[in-house]
Amino acid sequence: AQTVTQSQPEMSVQEAETVTLSCTYDTSESDYYLFWYKQPPSRQMILVIRQEAYKQQNATENRFSVNFQKAAKSFSLKISDSQLGDAAMYFCAYVYGGSQGNLIFGKGTKLSVKP
Amino acid sequence: NAGVTQTPKFRILKIGQSMTLQCTQDMNHNYMYWYRQDPGMGLKLIYYSVGAGITDKGEVPNGYNVSRSTTEDFPLRLELAAPSQTSVYFCASSYSGTGAEAFFGQGTRLTVV
Repeated sequence: AQTVTQSQPEMSVQEAETVTLSCTYDTSESDYYLFWYKQPPSRQMILVIRQEAYKQQNATENRFSVNFQKAAKSFSLKISDSQLGDAAMYFCAYVYGGSQGNLIFGKGTKLSVKP
Repeated sequence: NAGVTQTPKFRILKIGQSMTLQCTQDMNHNYMYWYRQDPGMGLKLIYYSVGAGITDKGEVPNGYNVSRSTTEDFPLRLELAAPSQTSVYFCASSYSGTGAEAFFGQGTRLTVV
C-alpha cells in the first residue's frame, strides 16, 4: 500500500532563515508524482511545488525547492528566506499514474515563522 | 476566476439528519474529488469521478453518496449524519488523472451533534 509519512508534526523558523520539511513515501510504482501543498489558516489548499518521479532534476519555485531522493523515497521541501506568510500547515502528497489522480496525503507539518 | 466553489462553508447537523454539500467548478475539468480532513490528519479520499455519469469509491466512502450529472457539479450527500462525520470536507478538480495539479475548494466545516 502507498503511504506518505511526515515525521515532523511542528517546525519553527526565524524570519529570513531557511527551513526543511521532511517527507518519505512508500510505493512500488514507477510512474508517480509528488506534491507539497500549503494550507494557511484560511483552509485553502494551495499547490507549492510538484515533482515528476521520472525527472532527476529537483523542482524549484522561487523560494521553494525540493530534495527528491528517489532511491531513498524521500521528498523534502526547503523554504529559503522564510516570510511571515509562509506560516501554515504543509502537506506532502503522492499520486501514481494509474490512480485517476487520487492523492495520498501525509499528516502534515505545522510551520511557524518567528519575526 | 471562480475555480472550485463549495457551499456551505460551515454547517451544524443533528445526528440522523441529511444534507448535501455542493461543489461546482468552472475549469471544464473531467476529474473531481471529495476529501475529508480530520484534526491532525491529512486528507482522505471519499469519492471521485472521472467524468459526467462516472463515480467511484475512495478510501472512506461509508455514509456518503455522490452523483455527477454534469461536468461542472459533483455534490456529496450525507445520509443519516453521525458524529464520526464531523470533519472538514474538500472538493477538488483536475484536468487529468495523471499527476496534474488538483485545485481545491475552500472547504466545508461540518459538525454533527
